[in-house]
Amino acid sequence: DIVMTQSPLPLPVTPGEPASISCRSSQSLLHSNGYNYLDWYLQKPGQSPQLLIYLASNRTSGVPDRFSGSGSGTDFTLKISKVEAEDAGTYYCMQCLQTPLTFGGGTKLEVK
Amino acid sequence: QVQLVQSGSELKKPGASVTVSCEASGYTFTAYALNWVRRAPGQGLEWMGWINTKTGNPTYAQGFTGRFVFSLDTSVSTAYLHINSLEAEDSAIYYCAKGGRYGGTSHWGQGTMVAVSS
Repeated sequence: DIVMTQSPLPLPVTPGEPASISCRSSQSLLHSNGYNYLDWYLQKPGQSPQLLIYLASNRTSGVPDRFSGSGSGTDFTLKISKVEAEDAGTYYCMQCLQTPLTFGGGTKLEVK
Repeated sequence: QVQLVQSGSELKKPGASVTVSCEASGYTFTAYALNWVRRAPGQGLEWMGWINTKTGNPTYAQGFTGRFVFSLDTSVSTAYLHINSLEAEDSAIYYCAKGGRYGGTSHWGQGTMVAVSS
């Protein structure tokens, strides 16, 4: 199974400041088709996870452009350019290159 | 718009069974996989497996074989998770999640809390 490791946990951030979350996989997530099979999710308190970024760098419809995803192979980053209060919650990376799909342990973003 | 609506919370005794339903709308149900994910108290997200909505063929992750059963009723665009012989360790929130176009998932149900206690 592919092991996903996230850092930091937790992540305290002041509104208006940037935030960055790292995700590392135990195997490369780069498919022969050139895509990295890495998704980012946000789970707000009391809600189900919502897909933010798919294939490492593609924002889902409706996701603000302050969210961006980057990386390739085994190292990936989710960046929030200017954190807002509504961004609070736990962020998960998930690999979907192969089954079983596996998630990182989560990074709790605390907006101070 | 795509929606996945799950059945309500359940409180069960050890040894009992439970069925969680997931009704999909807003898309062609048989065009995308349907995944099941668990979040146990204090834990992260754990993928339980998926069911091919065209063929009904389920695939279970390690640790979810035997007592866990995925099924479908395509006539009502609904997927089911059935858990037999419940144990206290099965207490968790169970989510269904529509497969994404590139694999992974796209939309999630609101979650169903299953509590197992004597």
